[in-house]
Amino acid sequence: DAGVTQSPTHLIKTRGQQVTLRCSPKSGHDTVSWYQQALGQGPQFIFQYYEEEERQRGNFPDRFSGHQFPNYSSELNVNALLLGDSALYLCASSLDRIYEQYFGPGTRLTVT
Amino acid sequence: AQTVTQSQPEMSVQEAETVTLSCTYDTSESDYYLFWYKQPPSRQMILVIRQEAYKQQNATENRFSVNFQKAAKSFSLKISDSQLGDAAMYFCAYAGGSEKLVFGKGMKLTVNP
Repeated sequence: DAGVTQSPTHLIKTRGQQVTLRCSPKSGHDTVSWYQQALGQGPQFIFQYYEEEERQRGNFPDRFSGHQFPNYSSELNVNALLLGDSALYLCASSLDRIYEQYFGPGTRLTVT
Repeated sequence: AQTVTQSQPEMSVQEAETVTLSCTYDTSESDYYLFWYKQPPSRQMILVIRQEAYKQQNATENRFSVNFQKAAKSFSLKISDSQLGDAAMYFCAYAGGSEKLVFGKGMKLTVNP
């Protein structure tokens, strides 16, 4: 049974560019949440997708957007990258209304 | 807004001994879940244990157990018979009606042989 997978593993981008991160949820899960983890900090909630719609959102600017596909996989897009966007981006999946979230290995984004 | 506080940034323990990690939280909700996650150097966040607030019995998973004090809003994790593989960052997390996880800043656990 495959767990949560994320791609790519690492990514280096330049300020002002745009980036897309991808996530495939654990088999049987229909809800995907994205978190940003800055160095030395706990993860911060970005947003959550269920039934292809953004169900809730954390305190992140509109530069952060996402999408969920019919197969429940998800993308996180960040436009106009800033140096401060450098972080580990974690994807977590769960079954709707079940509180346990299972995390992927993350994508390390470096903005130069 | 809910907050989670882990006041000890680092702890160390000798192999085979017991260590307790502390966590406090603040919420006005009555129904919620609490979690401990482990993040080794590989970066993947691994669920260690979870506690439902409505359950009075403390959760236990093998060598891991919690001390849940609802009135005090305290949620500590006890690791018994510590092993080298327990070395990692440990995060306390809260999930309430909004279902998103709210994390503490984490605590680095070192296990000495």
